[in-house]
Amino acid sequence: AQSVTQPDIHITVSEGASLELRCNYSYGATPYLFWYVQSPGQGLQLLLKYFSGDTLVQGIKGFEAEFKRSQSSFNLRKPSVHWSDAAEYFCAVVKMDSSYKLIFGSGTRLLVRP
Amino acid sequence: EPEVTQTPSHQVTQMGQEVILRCVPISNHLYFYWYRQILGQKVEFLVSFYNNEISEKSEIFDDQFSVERPDGSNFTLKIRSTKLEDSAMYFCASSTLGQDNQPQHFGDGTRLSIL
Repeated sequence: AQSVTQPDIHITVSEGASLELRCNYSYGATPYLFWYVQSPGQGLQLLLKYFSGDTLVQGIKGFEAEFKRSQSSFNLRKPSVHWSDAAEYFCAVVKMDSSYKLIFGSGTRLLVRP
Repeated sequence: EPEVTQTPSHQVTQMGQEVILRCVPISNHLYFYWYRQILGQKVEFLVSFYNNEISEKSEIFDDQFSVERPDGSNFTLKIRSTKLEDSAMYFCASSTLGQDNQPQHFGDGTRLSIL
């Protein structure tokens, strides 16, 4: 069955430091992968997506993610974190059947130190 | 940019009462979804809806739940007799995924509190 694992529940970084949030997936075929961000009390905003092609994808707010098939990973990165990036980040994979539902990881809460 | 809108933003209901959560998906989207997020937990799929019928539902989506697209624009989730464990944030999403590989767009959610 498809699944998504985000091994880090919390991550704390200093403002200006680089960031990498880990995501591993289990899927039989080429996955469609997403990163969403959720600020407190808010909905889910799409940061970026991977469907095919270039394995390094650029998203909004300066985020990027790299798809590595050999490692079944889709890690999210940002070279310099801003205080406004503090939020919960969810990795997700689409189940490619009649529903195309999203299967989410458990999320990583990012805290930013001033 | 078009958005998915959800109303109300917060609903407080007595246990056993019926609630209807409302969503207006993006107008040209064809796939509609409800997801649930219990406080502090991950987002879980409830149901998907396509071509005026349910295409998939999760184990959570039991007989107390129903969805409807009554007028071609609204997409509603009804919980017939609410339980304490129904307290959660409910997200509506829509997409054209399946045709042009577009991602799901989410509303801001309805926080449902069952007393």
